[in-house]
Amino acid sequence: SQKIEQNSEALNIQEGKTATLTCNYTNYSPAYLQWYRQDPGRGPVFLLLIRENEKEKRKERLKVTFDTTHKQSLFHITASQPADSATYLCALLMFSGGYNKLIFGAGTRLAVHP
Amino acid sequence: GAVVSQHPSRVICKSGTSVKIECRSLDFQATTMFWYRQFPKQSLMLMATSNEGSKATYEQGVEKDKFLINHASLTLSTLTVTSAHPEDSSFYICSAREPAGEKSSYNEQFFGPGTRLTVL
Repeated sequence: SQKIEQNSEALNIQEGKTATLTCNYTNYSPAYLQWYRQDPGRGPVFLLLIRENEKEKRKERLKVTFDTTHKQSLFHITASQPADSATYLCALLMFSGGYNKLIFGAGTRLAVHP
Repeated sequence: GAVVSQHPSRVICKSGTSVKIECRSLDFQATTMFWYRQFPKQSLMLMATSNEGSKATYEQGVEKDKFLINHASLTLSTLTVTSAHPEDSSFYICSAREPAGEKSSYNEQFFGPGTRLTVL
């Protein structure tokens, strides 16, 4: 079955620096890979989606890359701010049994310090 | 983006009782809704996929008689945890998918704020 690995350790960085989070997966590449933000006690919020035929996607200070050869996605937050502190989830959209379903990684907790 | 609400946000119940959680899509019609469970510091685990007007599809290991799902309309799905026990205590999150169109990104799912269930 598909497994997703994200940095299990919390990532601590200084305000203004670029945060880079990794997402590695096993088995076959998904058609879509998505990144979500989750704050404590809240549901995930969609950030970016990247398709298997796309190498990179940007949205404001966010950038996602998708390397299907190495089965890895990188998520970058440039000019990070304390408000970016949250858990970031990688999710793969899989087609199974006639349904699309999202499979989530455990997430990486990011803490941006002033 | 589209809004998904859940009610209640928090519930505490005694062991053996049943608890119903509602999930509503507020400004769009959701033909497909999903129910997830999340334990502390763990990933969201998909429990079941429900399509309006048909039976839910449960993931392997999820007891369909214990977690009853009803998707009676295009804007409402309910999850009932029957005869709840302390091990059912968790954070339950629903999500809804809007059909692809002008308003949404393709395959984007919108998540509710979650329901914290504590079974004593």
